[in-house]
Amino acid sequence: AQSVAQPEDQVNVAEGNPLTVKCTYSVSGNPYLFWYVQYPNRGLQFLLKYITGDNLVKGSYGFEAEFNKSQTSFHLKKPSALVSDSALYFCAVRATTSGTYKYIFGTGTRLKVLA
Amino acid sequence: KAGVTQTPRYLIKTRGQQVTLSCSPISGHRSVSWYQQTPGQGLQFLFEYFSETQRNKGNFPGRFSGRQFSNSRSEMNVSTLELGDSALYLCASSPAMDRPAQYFGPGTRLLVL
Repeated sequence: AQSVAQPEDQVNVAEGNPLTVKCTYSVSGNPYLFWYVQYPNRGLQFLLKYITGDNLVKGSYGFEAEFNKSQTSFHLKKPSALVSDSALYFCAVRATTSGTYKYIFGTGTRLKVLA
Repeated sequence: KAGVTQTPRYLIKTRGQQVTLSCSPISGHRSVSWYQQTPGQGLQFLFEYFSETQRNKGNFPGRFSGRQFSNSRSEMNVSTLELGDSALYLCASSPAMDRPAQYFGPGTRLLVL
């Protein structure tokens, strides 16, 4: 079955420290992977995508993600966390079924950056 | 450019009723996709419309349907509402088909009593 897993419900990190939000996937074929962020009262926002090419993908707000095919992972990273990064993060994959696509989301990881 | 707009923002219905939600994409965007967000099931993809045709679909029953008009505005309809349909319904627009949803609306919060 095609799926996405975010193994951590919550990640706590001190402001200024590097952060990692984990995501692993299981899809047939080449994976198309995405990260989204949901801030309170600000809706869902697209952060970055991996379709092909460099394994390190840069996105919005200083975030980046590393695609690792052998470990089937797509972890979200940021070198220095800000309190304003506190939000709910979703990893997603585009899965192909009978020639059409559907997007599968992880359960979300709540990031809390402590001042 | 105006963002993605969704109407209404809040809605209360009772079981068995039907509901129609509306989404206006960013000007020039031709793809609209819909998502359901609940505390229990998380974020789930409903379907994607492009050029007035449903192109991609998630795993939802036939009670969930949609359509897209020639101006790219889209509506989502849920018939025979169930308590479990209470959710935040998000729509997103993209300039082309099969692109990841990049621009989301604020959502319609539906409560089914």
